[in-house]
Amino acid sequence: DTAVSQTPKYLVTQMGNDKSIKCEQNLGHDTMYWYKQDSKKFLKIMFSYNNKELIINETVPNRFSPKSPDKAHLNLHINSLELGDSAVYFCASSQSPSSYNSPLHFGNGTRLTVT
Amino acid sequence: AQSVTQLDSHVSVSEGTPVLLRCNYSSSYSPSLFWYVQHPNKGLQLLLKYTSAATLVKGINGFEAEFKKSETSFHLTKPSAHMSDAAEYFCVVSEGGGADGLTFGKGTHLIIQP
Repeated sequence: DTAVSQTPKYLVTQMGNDKSIKCEQNLGHDTMYWYKQDSKKFLKIMFSYNNKELIINETVPNRFSPKSPDKAHLNLHINSLELGDSAVYFCASSQSPSSYNSPLHFGNGTRLTVT
Repeated sequence: AQSVTQLDSHVSVSEGTPVLLRCNYSSSYSPSLFWYVQHPNKGLQLLLKYTSAATLVKGINGFEAEFKKSETSFHLTKPSAHMSDAAEYFCVVSEGGGADGLTFGKGTHLIIQP
């Protein structure tokens, strides 16, 4: 009964390629997120969607494009991959967009390696 | 502006001994505070949260944390460490707003010696 599931778990690709990561949550949450975790374990918010609407778009290259076909899914497409995109990408969800009282539920991550 | 400082990047304890992971925060408002745990190759999992109710918060797996406003601290403790506690622990502060209002600490790597 995986609450937040993302695929693939590992993604190895060459520079310049385009790739997608998929995320689905079965918690009935309204809000979904993409986070990037670098090699030093630092977590940075990339995007947030609430009921399919984009509400947070941090300073991320426009090669990264999220898509939310419905509130249970949030996919991440990355164009023209670069070496610096190598990281672990986490999908997460929460009941509401308020960070004050609505904890995050994370997927297990997608480890992206660009060669 | 808010910030969070995890005072130790690594903590090593023996199995069966107490665990203390330290977290200090700064906030202009009454923040909410969270501790998350990340096991190897896994996502973050909520351990416990403080949102202006009881200052001593009990979480999962025997962990607890105490909110001390006078010391601006939210240290995580456990009376007796278990091998399965070996993981990365993140202290997180929120003053409200969306996920861009969350500030994550840099993490503390907990090592459990047999």
